[in-house]
Amino acid sequence: GAGVSQSPRYKVAKRGQDVALRCDPISGHVSLFWYQQALGQGPEFLTYFQNEAQLDKSGLPSDRFFAERPEGSVSTLKIQRTQQEDSAVYLCASSLARDTGTSGRSPYNNEQFFGPGTRLTVL
Amino acid sequence: EDQVTQSPEALRLQEGESSSLNCSYTVSGLRGLFWYRQDPGKGPEFLFTLYSAGEEKEKERLKATLTKKESFLHITAPKPEDSATYLCAVQREDGNNRLAFGKGNQVVVIP
Repeated sequence: GAGVSQSPRYKVAKRGQDVALRCDPISGHVSLFWYQQALGQGPEFLTYFQNEAQLDKSGLPSDRFFAERPEGSVSTLKIQRTQQEDSAVYLCASSLARDTGTSGRSPYNNEQFFGPGTRLTVL
Repeated sequence: EDQVTQSPEALRLQEGESSSLNCSYTVSGLRGLFWYRQDPGKGPEFLFTLYSAGEEKEKERLKATLTKKESFLHITAPKPEDSATYLCAVQREDGNNRLAFGKGNQVVVIP
């Protein structure tokens, strides 16, 4: 079936402009993640949804960053008043598994599958 | 705080020259260790998940192993199409499924 898709693939914004990045996860995947990847670095966690609930937003770098997943499927990452330091690739990932809590491991369906990313350049 | 350190940062191999990539990690309670492959301009592609020390998984020319402190990704007789950045990530046991990534091992296989 189709994988994770993201749009746009490339976005150029002027400093101060607002942007919205879209993620379409794999159908039926409960969990959705946003990561930020700077050039030459590994992805850094931003936020996590289980269905429509945002369970962790501790990685969002400032209050200019906002994410939503209102119907538990498509997600949007919005960045307000973009700054040059926001330039990066924004990756979305989805997973079949839900958060299992501390009651033990869920060894299956735990893999996160990534989309191609949106490369954001802020001038 | 979770720490994931990958070495070497960059590696050039002749085609057929086997080698290993290292991922050292510090995490309070490991749920799983993940290996991904990332090609330029693309998102990470899932390779393996390892859950406990001593576990090994193989896929074509790749073999991943896990100890309590590190993981190795062995590349046997690599081909030019194995050129990529290999990312290691850990997932904690504390109920949050987020991944903490290393910086990656950039591998170039020369024909």
